Amino acid sequence: KAGVTQTPRYLIKTRGQQVTLSCSPISGHRSVSWYQQTPGQGLQFLFEYFSETQRNKGNFPGRFSGRQFSNSRSEMNVSTLELGDSALYLCASSRSTLDTEAFFGQGTRLTVV
Amino acid sequence: GESVGLHLPTLSVQEGDNSIINCAYSNSASDYFIWYKQESGKGPQFIIDIRSNMDKRQGQRVTVLLNKTVKHLSLQIAATQPGDSAVYFCAENINFGNEKLTFGTGTRLTIIP
Repeated sequence: KAGVTQTPRYLIKTRGQQVTLSCSPISGHRSVSWYQQTPGQGLQFLFEYFSETQRNKGNFPGRFSGRQFSNSRSEMNVSTLELGDSALYLCASSRSTLDTEAFFGQGTRLTVV
Repeated sequence: GESVGLHLPTLSVQEGDNSIINCAYSNSASDYFIWYKQESGKGPQFIIDIRSNMDKRQGQRVTVLLNKTVKHLSLQIAATQPGDSAVYFCAENINFGNEKLTFGTGTRLTIIP
């Protein structure tokens, strides 16, 4: 079966712009979580959605937001981009609340110039 | 706050030898641990997991050991192959069923042919 799909794979944006990233989880998976990966900070949790509800949120400013649709697909949005937002954004999906085996997508490489 | 750290940032192993990657965690409430492998340009790939009620779990060529007394986790890879070269991350989940993973900084494993 298809894995986690993230689009686009690469993005270049300028400071002040906003960006939307998309994640399609594995079929049947209802939980989607987002992570930011940078060389300096490593992998950091952004937020997690289950059944269209945000259940957890990491320590990121309000410029970072997300949502989940009824088909479990998820989007995350970053507004007023800063240079420090340049990172690999990873999405992970898992089946349910009792299953924490999370599978990751390839990520979206965001570069802010 | 909780943190997951790695003892060694880099590790070089001769092909065919066994490798051990270590990870320390600080939150005794963590109840689920995962090892991920990340190759260049790819998202983290699930390797093996272990729950806090176990101290050892084996997969194909991999074994994870959990020592809750000293809050230590290790990943053993037997008979290493060139394809094992990657960055390895340990991750902990503090609330079982709650998809919020806290990642370590990663260890780069290089297999020497």
